[in-house]
Amino acid sequence: KAGVTQTPRYLIKTRGQQVTLSCSPISGHRSVSWYQQTPGQGLQFLFEYFSETQRNKGNFPGRFSGRQFSNSRSEMNVSTLELGDSALYLCASSSVGAGIDAGELFFGEGSRLTVL
Amino acid sequence: AQKVTQAQTEISVVEKEDVTLDCVYETRDTTYYLFWYKQPPSGELVFLIRRNSFDEQNEISGRYSWNFQKSTSSFNFTITASQVVDSAVYFCALESNYQLIWGAGTKLIIKP
Repeated sequence: KAGVTQTPRYLIKTRGQQVTLSCSPISGHRSVSWYQQTPGQGLQFLFEYFSETQRNKGNFPGRFSGRQFSNSRSEMNVSTLELGDSALYLCASSSVGAGIDAGELFFGEGSRLTVL
Repeated sequence: AQKVTQAQTEISVVEKEDVTLDCVYETRDTTYYLFWYKQPPSGELVFLIRRNSFDEQNEISGRYSWNFQKSTSSFNFTITASQVVDSAVYFCALESNYQLIWGAGTKLIIKP
């Protein structure tokens, strides 16, 4: 079956702009989570959605937001981009979602954002 | 506080050597999950194993094995007879409240 698809794979923006990243989970998976990966901070959790509801949010400013649609596809948005937002943004899907009955998370290849 | 520590930043070995990647975690939860993921240069994180806190049995999968010890809060990963294709960054992670808390990763270099 098709894996997790993230678009776009690469993008370049300038400070102050906004960006929207998209994630299509594996068919049937209802949980989508987002992670930011940078050389300095490593992998950090952004948020997790399950059946269109945000269940948890990491310690990121309000400029980072997300949503999930009824078909489980998810988008994340970063407004007023800063240089420090340059990172690889990874999306993961799961049939049950990370939780007490955590299942395997399947990751996409990520969207690499460069902010100039 | 929840925390995962991978003290080894980078390990370099010659092919066919055995190598162990260390992972130490901190959590106050009595029920939790631990994971190992591999990240090759392509960037995609590849799932290797998930272990829940009630199952302390060691696991072996081919050349890979995992040693989970609750007494020392460790979940170490050993690759036996390493191969060049094992070169990647390996992450240990702890599940808590619908999120994964990641270690900093260990870059493993296998030289031919």
